[in-house]
Amino acid sequence: DGGITQSPKYLFRKEGQNVTLSCEQNLNHDAMYWYRQDPGQGLRLIYYSQIVNDFQKGDIAEGYSVSREKKESFPLTVTSAQKNPTAFYLCASSDRGTTGELFFGEGSRLTVL
Amino acid sequence: AQSVTQLDSHVSVSEGTPVLLRCNYSSSYSPSLFWYVQHPNKGLQLLLKYTSAATLVKGINGFEAEFKKSETSFHLTKPSAHMSDAAEYFCVVIEGDYKLSFGAGTTVTVRA
Repeated sequence: DGGITQSPKYLFRKEGQNVTLSCEQNLNHDAMYWYRQDPGQGLRLIYYSQIVNDFQKGDIAEGYSVSREKKESFPLTVTSAQKNPTAFYLCASSDRGTTGELFFGEGSRLTVL
Repeated sequence: AQSVTQLDSHVSVSEGTPVLLRCNYSSSYSPSLFWYVQHPNKGLQLLLKYTSAATLVKGINGFEAEFKKSETSFHLTKPSAHMSDAAEYFCVVIEGDYKLSFGAGTTVTVRA
């Protein structure tokens, strides 16, 4: 079945460590996104990519990095520079022709100990 | 600039009664509007979308929404709530690029 796979589902990290969240899609979508979700704040855009080898900062990119070496993969690294990384992270993708409809993964919950 | 305001952070209804989730948007152009649903610890699923066709949009699971340009609203309704409707709902606007604006979300509780 086509869809978006995020891993791991739960992740614990010590302060000062970098961690990478995986996002893979087999929908052949051009665009991919990373969102952060905190209670009562909706979803905030971290990074997005419209095409391979290109990506743009979203509203809260500080302390995060991404790469887009393959169309189907868009990993997110949460660096030690991110001051408050505990959150639920959602990856999404969209096809250029569907006027913005997003398809979401199941999310990764990161907890910093 | 675009933004979305969900007027209720929490809505509680009895099973079998109507549900109304309110959403207002601000947009410089003709927007595309969406409602997504999220069950606990899950990703978001599209309920319905408005893209400048019919102003009354029907979605999955009996939900529908009406686009009212004069009121800049896109309220979501369902005639009869079911226990499985308990979730968080997000109103989303997009204005022709790849950056969507999400509302803060409305949590729906359904009482038996």
